[in-house]
Amino acid sequence: EDKVVQSPLSLVVHEGDTVTLNCSYEVTNFRSLLWYKQEKKAPTFLFMLTSSGIEKKSGRLSSILDKKELFSILNITATQTGDSAVYLCAVGTSYGKLTFGQGTILTVHP
Amino acid sequence: EPEVTQTPSHQVTQMGQEVILRCVPISNHLYFYWYRQILGQKVEFLVSFYNNEISEKSEIFDDQFSVERPDGSNFTLKIRSTKLEDSAMYFCASSPRYLNQPQHFGDGTRLSIL
Repeated sequence: EDKVVQSPLSLVVHEGDTVTLNCSYEVTNFRSLLWYKQEKKAPTFLFMLTSSGIEKKSGRLSSILDKKELFSILNITATQTGDSAVYLCAVGTSYGKLTFGQGTILTVHP
Repeated sequence: EPEVTQTPSHQVTQMGQEVILRCVPISNHLYFYWYRQILGQKVEFLVSFYNNEISEKSEIFDDQFSVERPDGSNFTLKIRSTKLEDSAMYFCASSPRYLNQPQHFGDGTRLSIL
């Protein structure tokens, strides 16, 4: 059975802090690893990673994949209150099926 | 920016009734998906659909569930005889391809079974 595990489950920080969110996986037929941000409704796409060791960056967010150790991290620097959300890690396999982790709830206090 | 749209946003239905959830995927996308999220739990894959056929389905997607693309724009999920445990948020997603292309999600339909 495919499995995706995220840690920590929740995190409370103050504005300006840097956070690291973790995602480990055990799946068959790995295709890609994706990070999504979920606020009230739809998961919003952040990053898609397919190759080990290549960092993807978008503003204050960055992510990297290690296919040997089967994990990924999502870094957020200089956090803002608008970063408060649930961050979801998902692994894509076979015909596009995504297997999700349970999510990390990030709360950023002013 | 193009979006996946889902209707209704909230559906309340009596147990045993049929329900149809509707989705309009992004217009040039070819792959379509349904996921569900029971309150407090993980997002779970239900089914993927391509070229008018189911590509893959999960164990959750039993004979009570069906999907259809009735025209060039809509993608529907039907639950024939709803159970209390079908109460969840149902998300539709689409992608241009399944390899190396991200899935984009709609805002979901909250289904409440009474």
